[in-house]
This record gives sequence, C-alpha cells and structure tokens, in this order.
Amino acid sequence: NAGVTQTPKFQVLKTGQSMTLQCAQDMNHEYMSWYRQDPGMGLRLIHYSVGAGITDQGEVPNGYNVSRSTTEDFPLRLLSAAPSQTSVYFCASSYSLREGRNEQFFGPGTRLTVL
Amino acid sequence: GQNIDQPTEMTATEGAIVQINCTYQTSGFNGLFWYQQHAGEAPTFLSYNVLDGLEEKGRFSSFLSRSKGYSYLLLKELQMKDSASYLCVPSSGGSYIPTFGRGTSLIVHP
Repeated sequence: NAGVTQTPKFQVLKTGQSMTLQCAQDMNHEYMSWYRQDPGMGLRLIHYSVGAGITDQGEVPNGYNVSRSTTEDFPLRLLSAAPSQTSVYFCASSYSLREGRNEQFFGPGTRLTVL
Repeated sequence: GQNIDQPTEMTATEGAIVQINCTYQTSGFNGLFWYQQHAGEAPTFLSYNVLDGLEEKGRFSSFLSRSKGYSYLLLKELQMKDSASYLCVPSSGGSYIPTFGRGTSLIVHP
C-alpha cells in the first residue's frame, strides 16, 4: 500500500491564482480530511469528508473548496490564492469516524508559498 | 469545544526517561490519541487509550485517567531521534473528529 499520497510536494503561487492540491489513499478509508499547519502552530482542520459525495467544513474553510467523487481521492482547491494561505497542507485519512480507534494516517504534506 | 493543556517545550538527556503530561476538558470523551511529529514531517500515530490505565508499547507508554481528564506519554531510554513534537489528541463527541493542538516540543540532547 502507498498509504496517503499528496501532490505536489512544493508549490509557489502568485496572489489570485487558483490551484488544486491532490490527495489519494489506497486503504479504502471512509474518512478523509485536510489540515493546514503554520509555523509553530497546531494543525487546523479545513474540510473533511465521511464518504464519497459527502463533505463538510472544518475550522478554517474560507478560501478552499473540496469534493469527494471517489473513496480514494480528496482534492483541495484554492479558489484565489492569498499570502495568508502560505502554509503546509496535510491530507489525512482514517478507517471511519464511527469507530473509537480511528487513528489518522497522514500524507507527506504540500508546502505552499503564495507571493 | 475542547481545551487541551500540555507543556510547550521539554528538554531531556539521551538515555533518560521523560513524561509528557496532558490535561484535557471535553464533552463526550471517547478516547485519547498520542501522535509524534518530527520537524518538517507529518504526524504519525503512537498510541490510543480508551480505558483507564497504562498501555505499553516498546519504549513508549501512555496512561489515561478519564475521571481526572489526564493523560501522559512516557518515553524511556531516550534517543536523539525522539526529538519531536508530541501531540495529545482527545477524541470526543459523536463525530470523533480529532483536534490537534501545538503539542509538546521535546528536545533530546547528548
């Protein structure tokens, strides 16, 4: 199993550009989520999904869109990039949200800089 | 909401034992996770406690007291590679969605 994969690893954007961060998992996990982590800070939840076709907002959803058309893929779209979105983005998945022991498996992260 | 309290930073010597404490306040508590995050890397799962008591896994052990809202992570025979942030993550509510704080930055020196 590849686990959770993310592309690209690094990205530089100009203010106003849009782009999609890709995330895929091959563990047949129901639950997938996107976090951002700023320097010296904890992970903040952007959006999450409990299954194909179902998404919901997390703590900091503004400026981001998600979709979940398949179990495997959960892309994160930046609509119009702003310098405040400079961060490290982690995608995570877990077997489900229904079970108590549902440890998160994280992708390696995408380091995004918005100029 | 959740309130998680753990020290911001700790230092320890290689070969020693260190205990990272975590107190939490949350409604609908289900269990508590510990994750490790090395600088520049993604978090990785260490342990999960749902019942009171100590769970041991090699050099790492995790303890939970549900009534006191308290947990600790015990690291024995510290190695330089244990320098990382350690995240205490309560799981609560019907949705089980985890909330990650800043964690405790552990620095292991020779």
